[in-house]
Amino acid sequence: DAKTTQPTSMDCAEGRAANLPCNHSTISGNEYVYWYRQIHSQGPQYIIHGLKNNETNEMASLIITEDRKSSTLILPHATLRDTAVYYCIVKLPPPGGYNKLIFGAGTRLAVHP
Amino acid sequence: ETGVTQTPRHLVMGMTNKKSLKCEQHLGHNAMYWYKQSAKKPLELMFVYSLEERVENNSVPSRFSPECPNSSHLFLHLHTLQPEDSALYLCASSQEQLAYSYNEQFFGPGTRLTVL
Repeated sequence: DAKTTQPTSMDCAEGRAANLPCNHSTISGNEYVYWYRQIHSQGPQYIIHGLKNNETNEMASLIITEDRKSSTLILPHATLRDTAVYYCIVKLPPPGGYNKLIFGAGTRLAVHP
Repeated sequence: ETGVTQTPRHLVMGMTNKKSLKCEQHLGHNAMYWYKQSAKKPLELMFVYSLEERVENNSVPSRFSPECPNSSHLFLHLHTLQPEDSALYLCASSQEQLAYSYNEQFFGPGTRLTVL
């Protein structure tokens, strides 16, 4: 699985867009980019994943550069409830059906009023 | 109950005690996972059960013993733990699919374990 690099922490004003970068310069052609987040004292929560194309769901948008060496998770209108640690994970889909996630340190996003 | 539940939410035990953590998923999934999250460290995968069989054991000490009696329940039996085993223990589940497809993992709220 490719190594990822994320900033340790970021701040965002409530109501503004939060843009969380992730560098994965060693990503291979078949590896996906996954994002999870962990709100304090809770289990991680899946946000979104993508391979090449940009993706959007009700929670966030994922922008992947054309060379796939980096990506950005966008929370379009951050709220205080979005304060959490955000994890970027790059890996192949599981060959055996179950999914083994390897978490790094992530980015601690603080949304302030 | 919905999603993934874990009991107890908090547990304090001595090094000579035996205790068990329980996880139950109400999602109809067929894969379940135990993770450990120590202070200042990333989540570490401990065990994976797929179709009620253990398929991953990431060099976890034998004082941690998992059990998966059916696809909805997962236990982590604890005995003679050390203070450094104090951590948040998280359970997750997912639906095993065809090879090379992806299904998200759903996590429980965790059990905060303190070993004295």
